[in-house]
Amino acid sequence: AQTVTQSQPEMSVQEAETVTLSCTYDTSESDYYLFWYKQPPSRQMILVIRQEAYKQQNATENRFSVNFQKAAKSFSLKISDSQLGDAAMYFCAYRSNNAGNMLTFGGGTRLMVKP
Amino acid sequence: NAGVTQTPKFQVLKTGQSMTLQCAQDMNHEYMSWYRQDPGMGLRLIHYSVGAGITDQGEVPNGYNVSRSTTEDFPLRLLSAAPSQTSVYFCASSYSVGSGSSYEQYFGPGTRLTVT
Repeated sequence: AQTVTQSQPEMSVQEAETVTLSCTYDTSESDYYLFWYKQPPSRQMILVIRQEAYKQQNATENRFSVNFQKAAKSFSLKISDSQLGDAAMYFCAYRSNNAGNMLTFGGGTRLMVKP
Repeated sequence: NAGVTQTPKFQVLKTGQSMTLQCAQDMNHEYMSWYRQDPGMGLRLIHYSVGAGITDQGEVPNGYNVSRSTTEDFPLRLLSAAPSQTSVYFCASSYSVGSGSSYEQYFGPGTRLTVT
C-alpha cells in the first residue's frame, strides 16, 4: 500500500517571503499522479497543483511550484511571495493510475502567514 | 452548477443512533467517494463508487454502508454510531479515470459529525 508523509505539522512564513512544504511518499509503482490540496478555515478542499510521475518537468501554477524528485520519492511545494490568504492546511496526495481515482493523503501541514 | 453538495453541515449523534449523510453532484461524474478527516491523519477513503450500482470499500469501511442508485447521489449510512466515528466527512466526485488522465476530484464542503 502507498503511504504519504508530511513531516512538518506546522510551518510559518513572513508575508511576501517564500516557503517550502515537504512531502515524501512510498510506492512500488511508476505510473501515478501527485497533488497538493489547500484547505482554508472554510474546510473546502482546493486543488493547488498536480504532477504526473512520467513528466520530468516540475509543475507550476502562478506562485505555486513543485520540486518533484521521483527517485527520492519526494514532492515538495514551494509558495513564492506568500500572501495572507495562503494561510491554510496543505495536504499532499498520491493517486495510482492503476487503482481508479482513489487518493492517499498525507497528514497535512498547517501554514501560518505573518503580516 | 452547484458542484458537490453535502447535508447536513453539522450533526451530533448519541452512541448507537443511525443516520445518513447525503451527497449529491450535478456534474454527471461517474466516480464518487467518501473520505473522513481526522486530526494529523489527513483524509482517508471510506467507500467509493465508479458508477450507479457499483460500490467498493476503501481504507476504513467498517461501520459505514453506501449505495449508488443514481449517478447524482451517493449517501453514506452509519448504522450504529460510535464515538470513534466522530470526524469530518467529505464527499468527492470526478469523471472516471483512465490510465494517463488526471481528472480533478471535486470535494463537497464537508459534514462535521460528533458522536457522544
